[in-house]
Amino acid sequence: NAGVTQTPKFQVLKTGQSMTLQCAQDMNHNSMYWYRQDPGMGLRLIYYSASEGTTDKGEVPNGYNVSRLNKREFSLRLESAAPSQTSVYFCASSGGFTTDTQYFGPGTRLTVL
Amino acid sequence: EDQVTQSPEALRLQEGESSSLNCSYTVSGLRGLFWYRQDPGKGPEFLFTLYSAGEEKEKERLKATLTKKESFLHITAPKPEDSATYLCAPQDTGRRALTFGSGTRLQVQP
Repeated sequence: NAGVTQTPKFQVLKTGQSMTLQCAQDMNHNSMYWYRQDPGMGLRLIYYSASEGTTDKGEVPNGYNVSRLNKREFSLRLESAAPSQTSVYFCASSGGFTTDTQYFGPGTRLTVL
Repeated sequence: EDQVTQSPEALRLQEGESSSLNCSYTVSGLRGLFWYRQDPGKGPEFLFTLYSAGEEKEKERLKATLTKKESFLHITAPKPEDSATYLCAPQDTGRRALTFGSGTRLQVQP
């Protein structure tokens, strides 16, 4: 039981490049989330998926797109990376509406030059 | 708008020196208040959920309490392995997302 896994762990991009961050969970959770964490600002929600087939914007969605591929997988795409997207990205999952404890993956550290 | 303030930003304790971390929050209605621990370079690790004022939960040397406007994380006789950043996150009844504070960075020296 691996919990929430994320790939890659580290990535360096040049401005304008694109990439997809992958997330998978093996806890049979309905809901999945993408956060970014910047120094002094706490974790901020980018997008979430309440259930398979649905996605919704969070607090800071600009510059990102997401895909809920199936119940297990939720990907985050940067179409044209900008230096302001340099951050640590965390994926999380939770059981559902009445079981909202979110369990986090290990994170992806992204640097955009 | 939901707001969360954690204090202090950083805390240095000697091993065995008890203290408390504060989380002040403003939400329209509280569904739950979550506490997480985060070690450097890792994802947040779930500690507790509190649902109503007066509720308390304990885990080893940690005890979390909740009032209508604040939550406290009490650390009793801490050990160096308790060193980490502690995050609190209230969940508004009208929203699925958690609103995270910026955390308290705790360092426990032997």
